[in-house]
Amino acid sequence: GAVVSQHPSRVICKSGTSVKIECRSLDFQATTMFWYRQFPKQSLMLMATSNEGSKATYEQGVEKDKFLINHASLTLSTLTVTSAHPEDSSFYICSASGQGISRDEQFFGPGTRLTVL
Amino acid sequence: AQSVTQPDIHITVSEGASLELRCNYSYGATPYLFWYVQSPGQGLQLLLKYFSGDTLVQGIKGFEAEFKRSQSSFNLRKPSVHWSDAAEYFCAVGAQNSGNTPLVFGKGTRLSVIA
Repeated sequence: GAVVSQHPSRVICKSGTSVKIECRSLDFQATTMFWYRQFPKQSLMLMATSNEGSKATYEQGVEKDKFLINHASLTLSTLTVTSAHPEDSSFYICSASGQGISRDEQFFGPGTRLTVL
Repeated sequence: AQSVTQPDIHITVSEGASLELRCNYSYGATPYLFWYVQSPGQGLQLLLKYFSGDTLVQGIKGFEAEFKRSQSSFNLRKPSVHWSDAAEYFCAVGAQNSGNTPLVFGKGTRLSVIA
């Protein structure tokens, strides 16, 4: 099946620093990747949609200058949380869809737990 | 607008008992429906999905779900729950060609299993 990985799985950083989270499709070319955020005991909320080679489309209320998304290749998308603050602490999950796999399904990564001190 | 409602925030069942988790959706066209399970601190695992055809869908781990268009529901069932089924369950709805459009998730139902 289609496998999506995320790195790191956990990260702890100081307030004011930037953190980069990688999302990789391991066995398919991901033309579209989604980034979701999940606060404790909450559901997944879409942050942005990125298509390879294009600028990401952000959901209302998500600051594009704070959450930088780059989808420069068909196997990698990155989410950079700039000047992180404690309220950015959350579980970030990516999903991907693309060529050679079911067009009706997206495949989820294992998530990245971000803790900002 | 698309929305998913999972009316039960938390359900507790005894091991070996049957289970039904409710999911209602609001969607303007024919929905694509999914159930995911999430263990603490983990990502999402797809249990089953409905795109079209037979309205009773079989999934992994002995789960099944039934799509009822008239009730806008897609309830998840399991005849006999195991302790390892304790987790958070999310129902989600997407559009046709759901690979290219984001999913809308319900708020989840936490399942506890007691001996």
